[in-house]
Amino acid sequence: DTAVSQTPKYLVTQMGNDKSIKCEQNLGHDTMYWYKQDSKKFLKIMFSYNNKELIINETVPNRFSPKSPDKAHLNLHINSLELGDSAVYFCASSQEGSSSEQYFGPGTRLTVT
Amino acid sequence: GNSVTQMEGPVTLSEEAFLTINCTYTATGYPSLFWYVQYPGEGLQLLLKATKADDKGSNKGFEATYRKETTSFHLEKGSVQVSDSAVYFCALIFFYSSASKIIFGSGTRLSIRP
Repeated sequence: DTAVSQTPKYLVTQMGNDKSIKCEQNLGHDTMYWYKQDSKKFLKIMFSYNNKELIINETVPNRFSPKSPDKAHLNLHINSLELGDSAVYFCASSQEGSSSEQYFGPGTRLTVT
Repeated sequence: GNSVTQMEGPVTLSEEAFLTINCTYTATGYPSLFWYVQYPGEGLQLLLKATKADDKGSNKGFEATYRKETTSFHLEKGSVQVSDSAVYFCALIFFYSSASKIIFGSGTRLSIRP
């Protein structure tokens, strides 16, 4: 069974559109994250939720809005897509603890044309 | 602030060569240190970790030792294989309220030729 899953795997859309990426984890973890990986493979955290509450919110345009309907899901909605939003977006989850490993999903490759 | 610096790639080696990928960090407090690996077209997987000074993490023939005196966590493998070709990320984790926050290095692409 997949531990952290994301849909869709690929997303191609035009500038100005609104799109969502879904993430689900079946590990029973309390905390979920969204990361952005740019074309040079640089990874940066965007958001973190713990038990449906926002914990970490890095400097991300407010066109990006995470939503957590329950602790197993963290979706990412993006409004008014821009060319610079093209990247691979990774969801991850972890259990609270002093050395908690984060488990990553397979990624969603977003291409904005 | 907290940061991770790792050697730039790409690194190209022949099969069975010795591998070192350097990683140094700056951090307040005592973070846990990780190496993650990303195979082509996949997400990140934890390769190994160390949670305190002098700990050695090891997995699949890879090793790294948490060196507080040199603030380093270099990744080594004695004999690489073609299947080790991937991007390797050094990372430190510190804890922010109820979540852990990872700071990743910029990644090092490793290519192994047969």
